Amino acid sequence: DIQLTQSPSTLPASLGERVTISCRASQSISNSLNWYQQKPDGTVKRLIYSTSTLESGVPSRFSGSGSGTDYSLSISSLESEDFAMYYCLQYATYPTFGGGTKLELK
Amino acid sequence: EVQLVESGGGLVQPGRSMKLSCAASGFTFNNYDMAWVCQAPKKGLEWVATISYDGSSTYYRDSVKGRFTISRDNAKSTLYLQMDSLRSEDTATYYCARDDKVFAYWGQGTLVTVSS
Repeated sequence: DIQLTQSPSTLPASLGERVTISCRASQSISNSLNWYQQKPDGTVKRLIYSTSTLESGVPSRFSGSGSGTDYSLSISSLESEDFAMYYCLQYATYPTFGGGTKLELK
Repeated sequence: EVQLVESGGGLVQPGRSMKLSCAASGFTFNNYDMAWVCQAPKKGLEWVATISYDGSSTYYRDSVKGRFTISRDNAKSTLYLQMDSLRSEDTATYYCARDDKVFAYWGQGTLVTVSS
């Protein structure tokens, strides 16, 4: 099984700040990685697929990068609607999610 | 607009069965693989099962193999999850998802509580 380790688990941040969330795989996943946002009401939205491709309609302040076992999601300038849970997902083998990062207002 | 609406959740006793449904609209249902993903209370997301666009192939996580069955009715644009021999650890919100490039669109989820 491929394990995904997300860090940090909680990320306090301020409006306008740039933040980065990391996702490390237990083995190479060859860019087979997506990022999702989950709001407190449970709504889940895909932000990025295949490591770095931005989903249509997702603001350009979101970006993804990485290769091999190390991947990251960056938000260039936080807005109020960005405070939520974020999950990475690998699909190199059967799908597994990272443990999640709670982005909260400092 | 893609819409996925789950239904069928509720309270069920351990060992009993429950069937979830997911009504799809806004896209050509039989062109896409579909999946179920669950989230236990206060926990992270877990993939449960996937079915191919034509229903010919199905895949399950180990913990539900032999107990859960994913199926679809393309004429009704509906996805199903039959859950048998339910356990307390199956308590979760169950989401259906369109599986292009893996979980492109999600429903709002339906809560299943397994308790006596």
